[in-house]
Amino acid sequence: QQQVKQSPQSLIVQKGGISIINCAYENTAFDYFPWYQQFPGKGPALLIAIRPDVSEKKEGRFTISFNKSAKQFSLHIMDSQPGDSATYFCAARDYQLIWGAGTKLIIKP
Amino acid sequence: DSGVTQTPKHLITATGQRVTLRCSPRSGDLSVYWYQQSLDQGLQFLIQYYNGEERAKGNILERFSAQQFPDLHSELNLSSLELGDSALYFCASSPRTGGGEKLFFGSGTQLSVL
Repeated sequence: QQQVKQSPQSLIVQKGGISIINCAYENTAFDYFPWYQQFPGKGPALLIAIRPDVSEKKEGRFTISFNKSAKQFSLHIMDSQPGDSATYFCAARDYQLIWGAGTKLIIKP
Repeated sequence: DSGVTQTPKHLITATGQRVTLRCSPRSGDLSVYWYQQSLDQGLQFLIQYYNGEERAKGNILERFSAQQFPDLHSELNLSSLELGDSALYFCASSPRTGGGEKLFFGSGTQLSVL
């Protein structure tokens, strides 16, 4: 019930392409859904976040799509760049954040 | 740079020992969170402090303890260390009261228990 399932585990995308990472949850009490980006040797950094009363949020090349009925949300990275190569984590909040397992994204030049 | 400082960056110790990890939050942030990151368990929330008081507890072992001092820095104490405690330990701070919003993470302390 408390899990957040993230897929895929790893992803390779060509430069300029669209990267899509998906997360699914069961707990309908979750009320905040952030995405974090982590580079090697660094801590995660907040990228973008959404609340369940909104279906989409866009910040630059990053978009969260949220499907409340399907209990799924996804991160889309448009015009993916080599600098976007990192590990991405989704999370969902009940009283604290429950984290997905992470997706290692590689953008090929 | 997130503004959160963690020391030391690396720590190598032996089983049965005790270590202390230190975290200085961003200026003005009253909330401090501790997380453990391992390959098989991912990011696990350990504990949160807000302005010196324990606010929320996660999957923190009884061998582990933490505190937040009046100057808002925090320490995570790990005792009777086991091989399985080897992991990356992150501290995060937030300007919010709780609930894991707007977390700013430090670069972590890599703990290796041999």
